[in-house]
Amino acid sequence: GENVEQHPSTLSVQEGDSAVIKCTYSDSASNYFPWYKQELGKGPQLIIDIRSNVGEKKDQRIAVTLNKTAKHFSLHITETQPEDSAVYFCAASSGGGADGLTFGKGTHLIIQP
Amino acid sequence: KAGVTQTPRYLIKTRGQQVTLSCSPISGHRSVSWYQQTPGQGLQFLFEYFSETQRNKGNFPGRFSGRQFSNSRSEMNVSTLELGDSALYLCASSLETLVNTGELFFGEGSRLTVL
Repeated sequence: GENVEQHPSTLSVQEGDSAVIKCTYSDSASNYFPWYKQELGKGPQLIIDIRSNVGEKKDQRIAVTLNKTAKHFSLHITETQPEDSAVYFCAASSGGGADGLTFGKGTHLIIQP
Repeated sequence: KAGVTQTPRYLIKTRGQQVTLSCSPISGHRSVSWYQQTPGQGLQFLFEYFSETQRNKGNFPGRFSGRQFSNSRSEMNVSTLELGDSALYLCASSLETLVNTGELFFGEGSRLTVL
């Protein structure tokens, strides 16, 4: 089945700086890569996603890049703000979605004032 | 528009007991998926239901089961509880099936503690 590795597990950045979270996947058939943000006591919420026919996608301060050859994708957050503090999960579809989404172990992003 | 509602939010059970968790999806969503979240294993896929049929199943023992009703509400059941079943159980609804990879909308979860 699919295996998703996510790094780092904890990331601390100064407010206003950029943050980058990286993920690798194993199943070359995976074609959908969402990123979820989970705040304390809440369920994960989709913040951005990308499909395998696209190399990059941007939404305001958030961007995701995908390298299918290397089987890795990254989340970029620019001009970080205190409300960006949360746990971020990457995920990949597996078995064409038939095996559900396979999630990375998460990155705890801490924005230092 | 109301979000995904899960009940109960918190519950405590003892080993050997069984538990039923409930999920009401967003109105109009026909797909409901369940995930188990633990600090050690992260988020793991349990199963997906679409139009009352189980479409996909993760790698969990048969003690974990679920069903979906005609109004798309879903329940999951865990029988013969073990200590390792302590986790946050998340339900997510979607317009499309996972095969079509629609956006998942998660509820806040049911936190199960097994003593």
